[in-house]
Amino acid sequence: QVQLVESGGGLVKPGGSLRLSCTASGFTFNDYYMGWIRQAPGKGLEWVSYISISATYTDYADSVKGRFTISRDNAKKSLYLQMDSPRGEDTAVYYCARAVYCGGDCYLPDFWGQGTLVTVSS
Amino acid sequence: QSVLTQPPSASGTPGQRVTISCSGSNSNLGINYVYWYQRLPGTAPRLLIYRNNQRPSGVSDRFSGSKSGTSASLAISGLRSEDEADYYCAAWDGSLSGPVFGGGTKLTVL
Repeated sequence: QVQLVESGGGLVKPGGSLRLSCTASGFTFNDYYMGWIRQAPGKGLEWVSYISISATYTDYADSVKGRFTISRDNAKKSLYLQMDSPRGEDTAVYYCARAVYCGGDCYLPDFWGQGTLVTVSS
Repeated sequence: QSVLTQPPSASGTPGQRVTISCSGSNSNLGINYVYWYQRLPGTAPRLLIYRNNQRPSGVSDRFSGSKSGTSASLAISGLRSEDEADYYCAAWDGSLSGPVFGGGTKLTVL
């Protein structure tokens, strides 16, 4: 069955850096767009970033653009999120998600990981 | 503040039918599909409904979805205690060029 397992979360200082990883199994990783979605404490879900199958296309929410970088290694069936210069408002549970095409430019998640908590605090 | 609007809570008794609403705008629900997710306590979100009213394999037919204009709804019939969870709607937003989500509805089975 499809499994997505995130790792790398923890406590990071504002202005520091952290790298999240997601290891996939149970499906052909290089057949799917992948993405990251987060949920801050007491808030709703927020899309963070997407990456295309061959990593030629990436997109980011305005709130993280220029600070976060998404990447993937199809050989290792892994997805990454490099978080540079994080801020307090980046504190959230970060979910790795497989995305499916839903028409036009649309990609929405169909499978999610359990999430990894990132806390940005001095 | 989430782009899609859901009621923060809903409740029902076992066997009852409950609906959860999701309201958006012309740039998201008005022109794109709605997806629904269920998150049971301590678990990863699970896709319940895709493309407005389609169920992935393995999802009970007690769950159904609909969309009209800029609003959508999720209906759960024959409510069970194991349906107690958070429910989220989502859609692609053409103006934001990305997915947008509702704030989530916490369903309590009384």
